Amino acid sequence: DSGVTQTPKHLITATGQRVTLRCSPRSGDLSVYWYQQSLDQGLQFLIQYYNGEERAKGNILERFSAQQFPDLHSELNLSSLELGDSALYFCASSPRDLSYEQYFGPGTRLTVT
Amino acid sequence: AQSVTQLDSHVSVSEGTPVLLRCNYSSSYSPSLFWYVQHPNKGLQLLLKYTSAATLVKGINGFEAEFKKSETSFHLTKPSAHMSDAAEYFCVVRIETSYDKVIFGPGTSLSVIP
Repeated sequence: DSGVTQTPKHLITATGQRVTLRCSPRSGDLSVYWYQQSLDQGLQFLIQYYNGEERAKGNILERFSAQQFPDLHSELNLSSLELGDSALYFCASSPRDLSYEQYFGPGTRLTVT
Repeated sequence: AQSVTQLDSHVSVSEGTPVLLRCNYSSSYSPSLFWYVQHPNKGLQLLLKYTSAATLVKGINGFEAEFKKSETSFHLTKPSAHMSDAAEYFCVVRIETSYDKVIFGPGTSLSVIP
């Protein structure tokens, strides 16, 4: 158990809908990272927040957005969902900014029908 | 352009025999390199990391990796495979320039035959 929690574990929704994925980092960790893992794209880094501020951005679509709240939990918002957005979404946390070590949550499996 | 190549999409070994999972990277900058393991229906777990200190890095569960700059490689090894090692392994490059970038390799699936 990494100490990172993600909810929900599974999410099934229809195309065009909007969903919110939630992540609680390990106690004391200030950085949160979001990743998308799909069969065709592999594992891709989406975005990182450190202490409430966006720090790094990867291959995140404009339909996706994220934020980190004062209590350090983070939410990833996915809108106008398409079939291709079906994937496993991981959150990771680390103690510092741009940290070399990240601790991953169990993931949220999103299925878009 | 930066990239990560894992030369084998699938590796199969017998229990008790050595494991070699290959990773090559391409980067104009000095990277940090990581290996992560993902067991079925689980999140990723950090196995080991290289961050410009010792080139031979020891990780958890008996794994180690050696950074070879001349070969731009960071291969993962283990002397003796265990059934519990069956999983997906990802080589990861982190490049810190003016904008941090993390690149995951495509993964290598390791099967361990009893």
